[in-house]
Amino acid sequence: KQEVTQIPAALSVPEGENLVLNCSFTDSAIYNLQWFRQDPGKGLTSLLLIQSSQREQTSGRLNASLDKSSGRSTLYIAASQPGDSATYLCAVYAFGNEKLTFGTGTRLTIIP
Amino acid sequence: DGGITQSPKYLFRKEGQNVTLSCEQNLNHDAMYWYRQDPGQGLRLIYYSQIVNDFQKGDIAEGYSVSREKKESFPLTVTSAQKNPTAFYLCASSMDGARARDTQYFGPGTRLTVL
Repeated sequence: KQEVTQIPAALSVPEGENLVLNCSFTDSAIYNLQWFRQDPGKGLTSLLLIQSSQREQTSGRLNASLDKSSGRSTLYIAASQPGDSATYLCAVYAFGNEKLTFGTGTRLTIIP
Repeated sequence: DGGITQSPKYLFRKEGQNVTLSCEQNLNHDAMYWYRQDPGQGLRLIYYSQIVNDFQKGDIAEGYSVSREKKESFPLTVTSAQKNPTAFYLCASSMDGARARDTQYFGPGTRLTVL
């Protein structure tokens, strides 16, 4: 059974710093891995999708990497801003399990 | 303006009542999904539909029912058989039902509270 873990559960950093969020998964047989952002009381917004054949994806200040063999992904946020404060969730889509399996998220707070 | 809408935003239910949560999309997506989110837990799949007039149970379907009579609509009914329905419910859609691993787009959610 696929399990997705995100540690830490919460993270606070000063504005302007670069930061890394971590995601690990137990079964490396995946189609893709996705990173989402969720603001309090809101739905999820897709940030980046990495196919299993890719090593990384970039969008603006965000860079997501995937190491399928070790079951790890990181989301790098450059030059953090207070507007980046949110919960970030990763999810994997595994072979033979036609659904997304979500982590519990990392709640990020950027301190002005 | 394309997207997914969910209504109501907040819903209160008395014990023993059935309630229906609405989800509508104008993205022309084939696949639609219902998730439940509880504090400290990841999203869990309740039901999904890859095409009109067809749907499958997810991981936690007990106490819930759905219908998919129209491509743009996927309502979720929370029945009295659901023992702990208080949660945040999220609807999502993706473009191609046969390739359900495409990016999923989420609605704003409905918070259901049992009184």
